[in-house]
Amino acid sequence: AQSVTQLGSHVSVSEGALVLLRCNYSSSVPPYLFWYVQYPNQGLQLLLKYTSAATLVKGINGFEAEFKKSETSFHLTKPSAHMRDAAEYFCAVSDNAGNMLTFGGGTRLMVKP
Amino acid sequence: GAVVSQHPSRVICKSGTSVKIECRSLDFQATTMFWYRQFPKQSLMLMATSNEGSKATYEQGVEKDKFLINHASLTLSTLTVTSAHPEDSSFYICSVNSPGGYTFGSGTRLTVV
Repeated sequence: AQSVTQLGSHVSVSEGALVLLRCNYSSSVPPYLFWYVQYPNQGLQLLLKYTSAATLVKGINGFEAEFKKSETSFHLTKPSAHMRDAAEYFCAVSDNAGNMLTFGGGTRLMVKP
Repeated sequence: GAVVSQHPSRVICKSGTSVKIECRSLDFQATTMFWYRQFPKQSLMLMATSNEGSKATYEQGVEKDKFLINHASLTLSTLTVTSAHPEDSSFYICSVNSPGGYTFGSGTRLTVV
């Protein structure tokens, strides 16, 4: 069984500040890990994914995440927040056997001017 | 990932009526599609896995007679909410897993009045 925990349902940062969204996973097999962003009333857009290659993964819009097996974590970061980054972010895990994704509870990122 | 088209984006229906939501994989032949439900300010919960040419696989607690899934071709899966009630009001999202990764439809906002 797989599960994902996102610590902090709401995160607020100032524009230009570091963004850190936390994700911890549980998986009985080597995981495939994903971060998605969702804007209001829209589907999900993939930011980045970890598929057992490099542990530091760079995604779109300046985001990156680091897979740390020892900590079972896959935290999402961005050096400098923009107003347009305000959205809901979801971490997800899959066993990549064509099976479904399991999502974390989501973190709403708010960016203050 | 695949290009996924979901329609309608928004629908309002009267209590007791049925609503059909379509999910199309435009450039990938999908033997499997996934249907998720998302309540306000919550994460995505997998409802069912749609299998082309066979019965869908429903997650525990999801009423298969209420949420009818048809996957008659490799490019189209439909979710029909039968005898809708206000508690069925939610955001429904479909997903396709192609070699390029998971892709999500833009979602359908269902409001039952």
